[in-house]
Amino acid sequence: AQSVTQLDSQVPVFEEAPVELRCNYSSSVSVYLFWYVQYPNQGLQLLLKYLSGSTLVESINGFEAEFNKSQTSFHLRKPSVHISDTAEYFCAVSEVDAGNMLTFGGGTRLMVKP
Amino acid sequence: DTGVSQNPRHKITKRGQNVTFRCDPISEHNRLYWYRQTLGQGPEFLTYFQNEAQLEKSRLLSDRFSAERPKGSFSTLEIQRTEQGDSAMYLCASSLRESSGNTIYFGEGSWLTVV
Repeated sequence: AQSVTQLDSQVPVFEEAPVELRCNYSSSVSVYLFWYVQYPNQGLQLLLKYLSGSTLVESINGFEAEFNKSQTSFHLRKPSVHISDTAEYFCAVSEVDAGNMLTFGGGTRLMVKP
Repeated sequence: DTGVSQNPRHKITKRGQNVTFRCDPISEHNRLYWYRQTLGQGPEFLTYFQNEAQLEKSRLLSDRFSAERPKGSFSTLEIQRTEQGDSAMYLCASSLRESSGNTIYFGEGSWLTVV
């Protein structure tokens, strides 16, 4: 079984400042890693994912995450946030070849202030 | 854009009543998932189907919960004799089986409030 820990439940940050949302996981087998974003009263949208290859993955809206196998982490970063980035962010893992079932962390609420 | 569609979006019911939620996945997707999300928590896996076969069920899915996907297309999640602890958002998602790690697309969820 795997588990995901998001170390910060809330992250307040000023607009145009950099941000890092932390995610650590534990698993006895190889995993895929995901970040999802959830805006108020909406479902989850995939932000980015790591399956294999380059450990640095990027999204189309400026977020990036780096897979660190030795530290079992997949932290999400953005060099300059916008007000519109205010949302809940969820880190998730799935076991390789295990039906795509996702195990989610508890979420981090990113609050961007003007 | 025909994404994952869920209805009803909101349901308020009295304790002890039965409720049913429907999910229409993206049309060519053969995998369908149900998750539950309570306030301030991440989604928790409930069950998943590959075509019409229910392949995995979480221990969270008590005997009051039943999910079906009769023709491998839409799915229903029924909760019998609802309890206040069932209040949550029920999320449906779908994906293609082609390879593991394929993107899972979520619907907007069905909010259940048990009073």
